[in-house]
Amino acid sequence: DIQMTQSPSTLSASVGDRVTITCRASQSISSWLAWYQQTPGKAPKLLIYKASSLESGVPSRFSGSGSGTQFTLTISSLQPDDFATYYCQHYNSYPWTFGQGTKVEIK
Amino acid sequence: QVQLVQSGAEVKKPGASVKVSCKASGYTFTSYGISWVRQTPGQGLEWMGWISAYNGNTNYAQKLQGRVTMTTDTSTSTAYMELKSLRSDDTALYYCARGRSGSGSYPFWGQGTLVTVSS
Repeated sequence: DIQMTQSPSTLSASVGDRVTITCRASQSISSWLAWYQQTPGKAPKLLIYKASSLESGVPSRFSGSGSGTQFTLTISSLQPDDFATYYCQHYNSYPWTFGQGTKVEIK
Repeated sequence: QVQLVQSGAEVKKPGASVKVSCKASGYTFTSYGISWVRQTPGQGLEWMGWISAYNGNTNYAQKLQGRVTMTTDTSTSTAYMELKSLRSDDTALYYCARGRSGSGSYPFWGQGTLVTVSS
């Protein structure tokens, strides 16, 4: 199975900060990577698919980059609604696995 | 609009089985597969498997092989996930999700079904 490792596990930031979350795959997954945002009590929300494509309706302050084994999710200017947990997920080959999550907290 | 509506919370004893449903609407059911993802309390997301609503082909996570069965009923546009021989560590919030065309990313999710396994 392909393992997905996110860093950091927790991130403390302030409104307006630029935030970067990293996801590393244990083997190449080309660009078959998605990013999700989850707030307590809610289902995950798709932000980015195919590593860098912005899902419809998602604010442009979210962006994704990378290919192969190294990927990043960047929030250009953190907003109050962005304090949440973020997950990466690969869909290169079965089983599709998720990273362990990165919690973005208020500093 | 695409909607996935799941069945209600369940409480089961260890060793029992649970069957969770996911009723789809707003699209042609047989055109997309349905995946199941679970989340244990305070923990991350675990992909459980996928079923094609077109032909019933399945792909399950290895750790659940032999205990999980995913099915669909095309007449009611409903997907089902049955988990047998329940253990306490199966206590989790279970989600169904639908991908975008030709992709394994999930823009559409059910509301989640809490399954509690307790003696």
